[in-house]
Amino acid sequence: EVQLVESGGGLVQPGGSLRLSCAASAFTFSNHHMSWIRQAPGKGLEWVSAITDNSAGTYYADSVKGRFTVSRDNSKNTLFLQMSSLRAEDTAIYYCARQPSAVAGTYDFWGQGTLVAVSS
Amino acid sequence: DIQMTQSPSSLSASVGDRITITCRASQTIGKFLNWYQQKPGKAPRLLISAASTLQSGVPSRFSGSGSGTDFTLTISSLQPEDFATYYCQQSNTITYTFGQGTKLEIK
Repeated sequence: EVQLVESGGGLVQPGGSLRLSCAASAFTFSNHHMSWIRQAPGKGLEWVSAITDNSAGTYYADSVKGRFTVSRDNSKNTLFLQMSSLRAEDTAIYYCARQPSAVAGTYDFWGQGTLVAVSS
Repeated sequence: DIQMTQSPSSLSASVGDRITITCRASQTIGKFLNWYQQKPGKAPRLLISAASTLQSGVPSRFSGSGSGTDFTLTISSLQPEDFATYYCQQSNTITYTFGQGTKLEIK
């Protein structure tokens, strides 16, 4: 069964940094583009970032560009999101999600999410 | 960025009802439109991709249609497990924007 398990969330002060991880299993991770999508408490879904299967391409929402960095380690089947200069408005559940092969921007499997809270 | 607007934002309906949710894109996106269902405390679930392709395991009472800028999600006969929030999402252009969601509640 395909599984995506996020970790690394927590409480951080404004201006701080955090690194999220997403461990993938039961599929060939290196064949799939991956993304991060977030959801602020009680709000809708916001696409955050994407990375191609071979890390050749990385993409970001304007709201996080220059502050967040997406990466992956295909040898460890793990996706990362390095977040810096965090702001209160970054508070959200962060989901990692898989794109089906050759289908851009569509997410067929999601992790359970990890909560990031930015507060002093 | 492409903006996605769903209507209504919330909807009350009864088991057995037929309901339709509309999603409008701020510019043409062909058929690059997905629908997700999200229940409280859970991750979203992909229901329909490419405007009308039902995902494996999704009941046939769900259907999607549309192209260009206007799309609809229809549930033909609501079941108790269908009460949730539904999101459309464009997959035509990165960033892959979502609609604001439609909360479907039991009347």
